[in-house]
Amino acid sequence: QQQVKQSPQSLIVQKGGISIINCAYENTAFDYFPWYQQFPGKGPALLIAIRPDVSEKKEGRFTISFNKSAKQFSLHIMDSQPGDSATYFCAASMEYGNKLVFGAGTILRVKS
Amino acid sequence: KAGVTQTPRYLIKTRGQQVTLSCSPISGHRSVSWYQQTPGQGLQFLFEYFSETQRNKGNFPGRFSGRQFSNSRSEMNVSTLELGDSALYLCASSLVEGDETQYFGPGTRLLVL
Repeated sequence: QQQVKQSPQSLIVQKGGISIINCAYENTAFDYFPWYQQFPGKGPALLIAIRPDVSEKKEGRFTISFNKSAKQFSLHIMDSQPGDSATYFCAASMEYGNKLVFGAGTILRVKS
Repeated sequence: KAGVTQTPRYLIKTRGQQVTLSCSPISGHRSVSWYQQTPGQGLQFLFEYFSETQRNKGNFPGRFSGRQFSNSRSEMNVSTLELGDSALYLCASSLVEGDETQYFGPGTRLLVL
Protein backbone atom coordinates (compact mmCIF):
# COMPACT_ATOMS: atom_id res chain seq x y z
CA GLN A 1 0.00 0.00 0.00
CA GLN A 2 3.00 2.25 0.26
CA GLN A 3 3.97 1.96 -3.38
CA VAL A 4 3.77 4.56 -6.06
CA LYS A 5 3.96 3.07 -9.55
CA GLN A 6 5.43 5.25 -12.28
CA SER A 7 5.44 4.80 -16.05
CA PRO A 8 7.02 4.84 -18.53
CA GLN A 9 10.53 3.93 -17.43
CA SER A 10 11.96 6.04 -20.24
CA LEU A 11 10.59 8.48 -22.77
CA ILE A 12 11.92 10.12 -25.92
CA VAL A 13 10.12 13.23 -27.15
CA GLN A 14 10.84 15.62 -30.00
CA LYS A 15 11.58 19.23 -29.16
CA GLY A 16 8.32 21.14 -28.90
CA GLY A 17 6.32 18.01 -28.12
CA ILE A 18 4.39 17.05 -25.01
CA SER A 19 5.97 14.74 -22.44
CA ILE A 20 3.54 12.75 -20.30
CA ILE A 21 4.52 10.72 -17.25
CA ASN A 22 1.99 8.76 -15.22
CA CYS A 23 1.83 7.61 -11.62
CA ALA A 24 -0.62 5.49 -9.66
CA TYR A 25 -0.95 4.92 -5.92
CA GLU A 26 -2.92 2.65 -3.62
CA ASN A 27 -2.81 4.31 -0.22
CA THR A 28 -5.77 6.68 0.07
CA ALA A 29 -4.10 8.32 3.07
CA PHE A 30 -1.67 10.04 0.71
CA ASP A 31 -2.42 13.73 0.75
CA TYR A 32 0.40 15.42 -1.13
CA PHE A 33 1.77 14.57 -4.56
CA PRO A 34 4.96 16.31 -5.73
CA TRP A 35 7.04 15.85 -8.85
CA TYR A 36 10.80 16.11 -8.73
CA GLN A 37 13.33 16.64 -11.52
CA GLN A 38 16.83 15.25 -11.17
CA PHE A 39 19.84 15.95 -13.37
CA PRO A 40 22.93 13.71 -13.26
CA GLY A 41 25.09 14.47 -10.24
CA LYS A 42 22.41 16.60 -8.60
CA GLY A 43 19.78 16.09 -5.97
CA PRO A 44 16.08 16.02 -6.92
CA ALA A 45 14.54 19.47 -7.36
CA LEU A 46 10.88 20.12 -6.61
CA LEU A 47 9.00 20.98 -9.81
CA ILE A 48 5.35 21.17 -8.90
CA ALA A 49 3.00 19.58 -6.37
CA ILE A 50 -0.72 19.00 -5.95
CA ARG A 51 -3.21 17.99 -3.27
CA PRO A 52 -6.23 15.70 -3.84
CA ASP A 53 -8.79 18.52 -3.63
CA VAL A 54 -7.54 19.94 -6.94
CA SER A 55 -7.83 18.15 -10.30
CA GLU A 56 -5.21 20.15 -12.15
CA LYS A 57 -2.37 22.54 -11.39
CA LYS A 58 -0.29 24.41 -13.90
CA GLU A 59 3.04 26.18 -13.45
CA GLY A 60 4.57 27.44 -16.65
CA ARG A 61 5.05 24.52 -19.04
CA PHE A 62 4.42 21.95 -16.29
CA THR A 63 0.94 20.66 -15.47
CA ILE A 64 -0.17 18.03 -12.96
CA SER A 65 -3.45 16.25 -13.64
CA PHE A 66 -4.96 14.42 -10.67
CA ASN A 67 -7.71 11.78 -10.72
CA LYS A 68 -8.68 10.98 -7.15
CA SER A 69 -11.19 8.23 -7.98
CA ALA A 70 -8.67 6.40 -10.16
CA LYS A 71 -5.84 7.12 -7.73
CA GLN A 72 -3.68 8.37 -10.58
CA PHE A 73 -1.80 11.54 -11.34
CA SER A 74 0.33 12.63 -14.24
CA LEU A 75 2.87 15.24 -15.25
CA HIS A 76 2.57 16.98 -18.59
CA ILE A 77 5.51 18.98 -19.95
CA MET A 78 4.34 21.21 -22.75
CA ASP A 79 6.70 22.45 -25.48
CA SER A 80 9.41 20.07 -24.25
CA GLN A 81 12.96 21.39 -24.60
CA PRO A 82 16.35 19.61 -24.67
CA GLY A 83 17.07 21.23 -21.30
CA ASP A 84 14.16 19.24 -19.86
CA SER A 85 16.12 16.03 -20.42
CA ALA A 86 16.41 14.59 -16.91
CA THR A 87 14.95 11.93 -14.63
CA TYR A 88 11.51 12.72 -13.24
CA PHE A 89 10.12 11.25 -10.06
CA CYS A 90 6.60 11.33 -8.78
CA ALA A 91 6.11 10.98 -5.04
CA ALA A 92 3.42 10.93 -2.38
CA SER A 93 3.21 11.58 1.32
CA MET A 94 0.58 11.59 4.01
CA GLU A 95 -0.84 14.66 5.69
CA TYR A 96 1.76 16.42 7.81
CA GLY A 97 4.31 13.82 6.84
CA ASN A 98 7.79 14.31 5.53
CA LYS A 99 8.14 10.69 4.46
CA LEU A 100 8.02 10.85 0.69
CA VAL A 101 7.29 7.60 -1.17
CA PHE A 102 8.83 7.86 -4.62
CA GLY A 103 8.02 6.28 -7.94
CA ALA A 104 10.82 4.47 -9.78
CA GLY A 105 11.56 7.42 -12.04
CA THR A 106 11.25 8.23 -15.74
CA ILE A 107 14.28 9.10 -17.84
CA LEU A 108 13.18 11.78 -20.30
CA ARG A 109 15.19 12.63 -23.38
CA VAL A 110 14.09 15.52 -25.56
CA LYS A 111 15.57 15.35 -29.04
CA SER A 112 16.42 18.61 -30.77
CA LYS B 1 19.71 31.91 0.30
CA ALA B 2 22.12 28.98 0.22
CA GLY B 3 20.68 25.56 -0.47
CA VAL B 4 21.13 22.31 1.40
CA THR B 5 24.77 21.37 1.68
CA GLN B 6 26.11 17.87 2.18
CA THR B 7 29.61 16.76 3.01
CA PRO B 8 31.55 14.96 1.85
CA ARG B 9 30.32 14.69 -1.72
CA TYR B 10 32.14 11.43 -2.40
CA LEU B 11 33.36 8.70 -0.10
CA ILE B 12 34.98 5.30 -0.55
CA LYS B 13 34.91 2.84 2.32
CA THR B 14 35.51 -0.88 2.76
CA ARG B 15 33.13 -3.48 4.14
CA GLY B 16 32.88 -3.47 7.91
CA GLN B 17 33.86 0.17 8.32
CA GLN B 18 31.52 2.86 9.49
CA VAL B 19 30.78 6.22 7.92
CA THR B 20 29.29 9.55 8.99
CA LEU B 21 27.64 11.90 6.54
CA SER B 22 26.76 15.51 7.27
CA CYS B 23 23.91 17.76 6.15
CA SER B 24 23.35 21.47 6.69
CA PRO B 25 19.75 22.50 5.92
CA ILE B 26 18.64 25.73 4.32
CA SER B 27 18.93 28.58 6.78
CA GLY B 28 15.79 28.72 8.91
CA HIS B 29 14.72 25.19 8.06
CA ARG B 30 14.35 23.00 11.09
CA SER B 31 13.37 19.63 9.67
CA VAL B 32 15.84 17.30 7.98
CA SER B 33 15.06 14.04 6.21
CA TRP B 34 17.46 11.49 4.76
CA TYR B 35 16.94 9.30 1.70
CA GLN B 36 18.96 6.55 0.04
CA GLN B 37 19.02 6.41 -3.76
CA THR B 38 20.16 3.26 -5.58
CA PRO B 39 19.57 2.04 -9.15
CA GLY B 40 17.77 -1.04 -7.86
CA GLN B 41 15.61 0.32 -5.06
CA GLY B 42 15.22 3.92 -6.18
CA LEU B 43 14.68 6.64 -3.61
CA GLN B 44 13.88 5.34 -0.14
CA PHE B 45 13.15 7.27 3.05
CA LEU B 46 15.59 6.69 5.89
CA PHE B 47 14.50 9.02 8.68
CA GLU B 48 13.35 12.51 9.61
CA TYR B 49 14.59 14.76 12.38
CA PHE B 50 13.00 17.82 13.91
CA SER B 51 14.05 19.63 17.06
CA GLU B 52 16.85 17.12 17.59
CA THR B 53 14.34 14.24 17.74
CA GLN B 54 13.76 11.46 15.25
CA ARG B 55 10.15 11.88 14.12
CA ASN B 56 9.84 9.18 11.52
CA LYS B 57 11.86 6.17 10.39
CA GLY B 58 11.94 4.08 7.23
CA ASN B 59 12.50 0.36 6.86
CA PHE B 60 16.24 0.21 7.26
CA PRO B 61 18.31 -1.89 9.69
CA GLY B 62 19.61 -0.46 12.94
CA ARG B 63 23.03 0.01 11.33
CA PHE B 64 21.59 3.22 9.93
CA SER B 65 21.24 5.97 12.50
CA GLY B 66 21.17 9.70 12.63
CA ARG B 67 21.01 12.71 14.83
CA GLN B 68 20.24 16.39 14.66
CA PHE B 69 21.97 19.19 16.46
CA SER B 70 20.51 22.32 18.02
CA ASN B 71 21.47 24.35 14.91
CA SER B 72 19.39 21.90 12.79
CA ARG B 73 22.45 20.38 11.14
CA SER B 74 22.14 16.62 10.88
CA GLU B 75 24.43 13.65 10.56
CA MET B 76 23.70 10.11 9.57
CA ASN B 77 25.88 7.17 10.45
CA VAL B 78 26.11 3.74 8.89
CA SER B 79 27.98 1.13 10.87
CA THR B 80 29.41 -2.18 9.68
CA LEU B 81 29.16 -1.19 6.03
CA GLU B 82 27.97 -3.73 3.48
CA LEU B 83 28.47 -3.70 -0.29
CA GLY B 84 24.75 -3.01 -0.68
CA ASP B 85 25.10 0.26 1.20
CA SER B 86 26.74 1.79 -1.86
CA ALA B 87 24.34 4.55 -2.83
CA LEU B 88 23.69 8.24 -3.14
CA TYR B 89 22.57 9.53 0.27
CA LEU B 90 20.36 12.57 -0.01
CA CYS B 91 19.42 15.03 2.65
CA ALA B 92 16.29 17.15 2.36
CA SER B 93 15.29 20.10 4.48
CA SER B 94 11.93 21.66 5.14
CA LEU B 95 10.78 24.58 7.20
CA VAL B 96 9.03 22.74 9.99
CA GLU B 97 7.99 19.25 10.98
CA GLY B 98 5.34 17.92 8.65
CA ASP B 99 6.06 20.50 5.97
CA GLU B 100 5.88 18.42 2.84
CA THR B 101 7.83 20.90 0.72
CA GLN B 102 11.29 19.39 0.87
CA TYR B 103 14.43 20.73 -0.75
CA PHE B 104 17.16 18.24 -1.52
CA GLY B 105 20.91 18.63 -1.32
CA PRO B 106 23.31 17.28 -3.97
CA GLY B 107 23.90 14.09 -2.01
CA THR B 108 26.90 12.11 -0.82
CA ARG B 109 27.98 9.32 -3.15
CA LEU B 110 29.16 6.38 -0.99
CA LEU B 111 31.02 3.48 -2.53
CA VAL B 112 31.64 0.42 -0.36
CA LEU B 113 34.38 -1.94 -1.58
